[in-house]
Amino acid sequence: QVQLLQSGAEVKKPGASVMVSCKASGYTFSSYAIDWVRQAPGQGLEWMGWISAYNGNTNYAQKLQGRITLTTDTSTNTAYMELRSLRSDDTAVYYCARDPRRSIGPGQFDSWGQGTLVIVSS
Amino acid sequence: EIVLTQSPATLSLSPGERATLSCRASQSVGTDLAWYQQRPGQAPRLLFYDSSNRATGIPARFSGSGSGTDFTLTISSLEPEDFAVYYCQQRSNWPPPITFGQGTRLEIK
Repeated sequence: QVQLLQSGAEVKKPGASVMVSCKASGYTFSSYAIDWVRQAPGQGLEWMGWISAYNGNTNYAQKLQGRITLTTDTSTNTAYMELRSLRSDDTAVYYCARDPRRSIGPGQFDSWGQGTLVIVSS
Repeated sequence: EIVLTQSPATLSLSPGERATLSCRASQSVGTDLAWYQQRPGQAPRLLFYDSSNRATGIPARFSGSGSGTDFTLTISSLEPEDFAVYYCQQRSNWPPPITFGQGTRLEIK
């Protein structure tokens, strides 16, 4: 079965960087894309970006441009999200999600990781 | 940016009742709309994509409909496990390409 296994919780200071990993199994990794979505405590869902595991193309939310980098490693079927210059309002649960639209940009998210809590606090 | 407005914010119903959730887009998204269910402490789960296509494993009591700017998620007879938060999500060519509604909380009356 499709599984996305994310790395563990992180506590970071303002201004630091965080990298969250998402290891995929149960499907052909390069046939899909991966999106990243975050959820601040008690809040709704916010899309962060999309990366094709097929060709490496990316699409980022404008508000995060310059602070976010998405990458994939097809040799280990793992996707990574790096967020830099962290602020307190980056405190959230970060999810990776599988996206069937591997070439033409983000679509919908048919399987999700378990989430990674990132706390930004001095 | 395409804004999705969900209503009501909270819906209080009893098991066995019918639930109707609404999602309205600030401009037409065609049928490029998905619905998700999120139970407490869990990741979201895809229910429908392209407005009315049921995702794998979703029970038949769930149905999705709509096009353009008005969309509906209907649960014909509520089961205890259906009480959760529901989000709609659109994809478009406008930045940002993905936006979510603010969610509807379906709670037990």
